[in-house]
Amino acid sequence: AQTVTQSQPEMSVQEAETVTLSCTYDTSENNYYLFWYKQPPSRQMILVIRQEAYKQQNATENRFSVNFQKAAKSFSLKISDSQLGDTAMYFCAFMKRETSGSRLTFGEGTQLTVNP
Amino acid sequence: KAGVTQTPRYLIKTRGQQVTLSCSPISGHRSVSWYQQTPGQGLQFLFEYFSETQRNKGNFPGRFSGRQFSNSRSEMNVSTLELGDSALYLCASKNPGLLYNEQFFGPGTRLTVL
Repeated sequence: AQTVTQSQPEMSVQEAETVTLSCTYDTSENNYYLFWYKQPPSRQMILVIRQEAYKQQNATENRFSVNFQKAAKSFSLKISDSQLGDTAMYFCAFMKRETSGSRLTFGEGTQLTVNP
Repeated sequence: KAGVTQTPRYLIKTRGQQVTLSCSPISGHRSVSWYQQTPGQGLQFLFEYFSETQRNKGNFPGRFSGRQFSNSRSEMNVSTLELGDSALYLCASKNPGLLYNEQFFGPGTRLTVL
């Protein structure tokens, strides 16, 4: 079974600054995906960024980037130039790469507050 | 393209009753997954349906069941409701043809059990 751990229940950052959210996971699988999802107060879960485990290059999406360390089983999210709209709960999630199904295992979440 | 829709958005039931939640996936998506979100347990996987067949199931009691119709719409049912079933129930759909397996989530159904 897979586990995902987010050790920072809450974080805050000033607008325009950079913040890094931590995530570690445990798995015996070699082929998998990792995701960061954002859940704003509206509760709509939105995909922020994804990483395929077989890719060594870290994924980036505009102001969002990850630091994927496969050997260390670490997958942190960096948000640059933080904006007020980034205020949300952020979940790290793991999914095995398989054709027979898709099941996300989520971490506990990190509540990020961006202050003006 | 319309996103994932869930109905109803809010629901209040009493202990012992049963409830049915509905999820309509994005057009063309044949995989539908359900998740339960609570403050204490976080986000937990309930089950996944693909082409009307359940192909993955989480660690929930048999009171939780689901089904999928030929148009890919899915329902989940909870019988004999307990206070602990109060949660946000999220549905997600996926196009199995996508390599990176991205799931698109609906807005959720907030179930309160009194």
